[in-house]
Amino acid sequence: DGGITQSPKYLFRKEGQNVTLSCEQNLNHDAMYWYRQDPGQGLRLIYYSQIVNDFQKGDIAEGYSVSREKKESFPLTVTSAQKNPTAFYLCASSTKSTRENIQYFGAGTRLSVL
Amino acid sequence: AQSVTQPDIHITVSEGASLELRCNYSYGATPYLFWYVQSPGQGLQLLLKYFSGDTLVQGIKGFEAEFKRSQSSFNLRKPSVHWSDAAEYFCAVGLNTGGFKTIFGAGTRLFVKA
Repeated sequence: DGGITQSPKYLFRKEGQNVTLSCEQNLNHDAMYWYRQDPGQGLRLIYYSQIVNDFQKGDIAEGYSVSREKKESFPLTVTSAQKNPTAFYLCASSTKSTRENIQYFGAGTRLSVL
Repeated sequence: AQSVTQPDIHITVSEGASLELRCNYSYGATPYLFWYVQSPGQGLQLLLKYFSGDTLVQGIKGFEAEFKRSQSSFNLRKPSVHWSDAAEYFCAVGLNTGGFKTIFGAGTRLFVKA
């Protein structure tokens, strides 16, 4: 089955630690996205990538980093600079990054701070 | 600034009753509009979309939405709600702001009572 796989489902971070969230897609999509979801705030864009080896900051990129070395993979690192990382993180992909593109979402990773 | 507003944080309806979820957007150009649904702890799934043409669009699971340009609205409706429709619903707009992005509303949580 084609789709987007996020792992792990739950993740705990200690103070001062960097953690990496995995996102893999087998839909052959060019564009991939990371969103942060907090209660009552909807989805906020962290980073997006339109093509391999290229990515752009979204609205809340501070404290996060990404890479896009392969078309299928778009991992997100939550660095120690992100002081409030507790949230639900969603990865998505679309065929291209255009206005009318439908985004397909993974099941999410819930990150908590110990 | 571009925005998407969902005025109702949560709504409760009885099973079998009709449903309308409200969505208003702020965007100067022709909007590309979407409704997504999210089950607890899951990613988002597209219900329906409007790009152009007939202003009443049909989606999956018996949902429909009507685009009203004069009211900047894209309300989601269903004639008879089922218990399995309990979820969170997000309205979204696709924008071209020098780069392509999607803005999501804060969501409306639907509760269905027996």
